[in-house]
Amino acid sequence: GESVGLHLPTLSVQEGDNSIINCAYSNSASDYFIWYKQESGKGPQFIIDIRSNMDKRQGQRVTVLLNKTVKHLSLQIAATQPGDSAVYFCAETYGGATNKLIFGTGTLLAVQP
Amino acid sequence: DGGITQSPKYLFRKEGQNVTLSCEQNLNHDAMYWYRQDPGQGLRLIYYSQIVNDFQKGDIAEGYSVSREKKESFPLTVTSAQKNPTAFYLCASSIDRGVGELFFGEGSRLTVL
Repeated sequence: GESVGLHLPTLSVQEGDNSIINCAYSNSASDYFIWYKQESGKGPQFIIDIRSNMDKRQGQRVTVLLNKTVKHLSLQIAATQPGDSAVYFCAETYGGATNKLIFGTGTLLAVQP
Repeated sequence: DGGITQSPKYLFRKEGQNVTLSCEQNLNHDAMYWYRQDPGQGLRLIYYSQIVNDFQKGDIAEGYSVSREKKESFPLTVTSAQKNPTAFYLCASSIDRGVGELFFGEGSRLTVL
């Protein structure tokens, strides 16, 4: 069945370095992908999204890359800051329906000062 | 400020009791959702509503009930029939059911004693 997974459950980086968080998806029909950030004890916050007709999308200090050939999604965070420490998870949907979103389990990003 | 308000943030319940979690939004969004989050698992959809007086079961609706009498409000009742109710519950909304960003509340943590 469809699934969304993450390669690395925990990622530790030094402050100022770039971070890359990966996500694999199994449904080639998925057409919309979202990255969320969740701080401890709080609700998820939208970071960035990308549609399947795009390979790359940039935001403020973040870039999402989509490789449809290998069904891989990545989130790049430039100049990682202590405030970036959180769990990051991706979500996918097919048919464009928000109620069909499938969420990954998350990667914990730990930023070392 | 526009957003989603969930209450209570923490709730303790004895086995056999029903509890109701509140979710209110002032974003004027049509669609609202309830998710359950357990450690090591992705968010799972309990119920969603696209419009007032209408709601649909998600992937794990058993043991839960909802109502949508007002556009702004989507309360979730965790009934005694829910076998494993201890979890973090997240309410979300979106402009409509179609592709778009989900806005999440801060969550309610339910613990069954």
